Amino acid sequence: RKEVEQDPGPFNVPEGATVAFNCTYSNSASQSFFWYRQDCRKEPKLLMSVYSSGNEDGRFTAQLNRASQYISLLIRDSKLSDSATYLCVVNGAGTASKLTFGTGTRLQVTL
Amino acid sequence: DAGVIQSPRHEVTEMGQEVTLRCKPISGHNSLFWYRQTMMRGLELLIYFNNNVPIDDSGMPEDRFSAKMPNASFSTLKIQPSEPRDSAVYFCASSWTIIDTQYFGPGTRLTVL
Repeated sequence: RKEVEQDPGPFNVPEGATVAFNCTYSNSASQSFFWYRQDCRKEPKLLMSVYSSGNEDGRFTAQLNRASQYISLLIRDSKLSDSATYLCVVNGAGTASKLTFGTGTRLQVTL
Repeated sequence: DAGVIQSPRHEVTEMGQEVTLRCKPISGHNSLFWYRQTMMRGLELLIYFNNNVPIDDSGMPEDRFSAKMPNASFSTLKIQPSEPRDSAVYFCASSWTIIDTQYFGPGTRLTVL
């Protein structure tokens, strides 16, 4: 099983729609979770951290479900500018843990 | 504030040539990461350093790849000899600690002919 798994998509949604992505992780001891965004031919950039109680940043909501070992990202009122690849990021475990990136979910928002 | 700086931004070389990619992390960051990204394999971690010491190089594809971090403000990734299958975008990222948010450089797009 991969450490971090995401549906590659693409998710094609109309502007104004609500869309949600899930990401599963294999290491139950993982403690840090993030969503990154990567635009075409650009570097990945931090979108938001994911906290145990869930957190919101404008139109974006992130949730963590430790029991089922998944995190989610909800985007409300999608904009054309939200079109990008969304990378799920999870840390490993132990003293030498590091972040592991998922392969990403591609979102295309259309008119 | 300057972010992570990488050079060159684009590199085109011929098979068998040596390629050196450079990275300057964000000042004060203690961890540095080298990634490779292709359409087929996504973002792969090659190696990472903490306090200039290599911690895990298990992602380095083979002996043709080597990385150094001689000081806190500079790292190199070298491929010798290069092969067409090495063509990819190579990203450098830095963070305060190994598990903190990573900030990526703009990447080096490498094409090996």
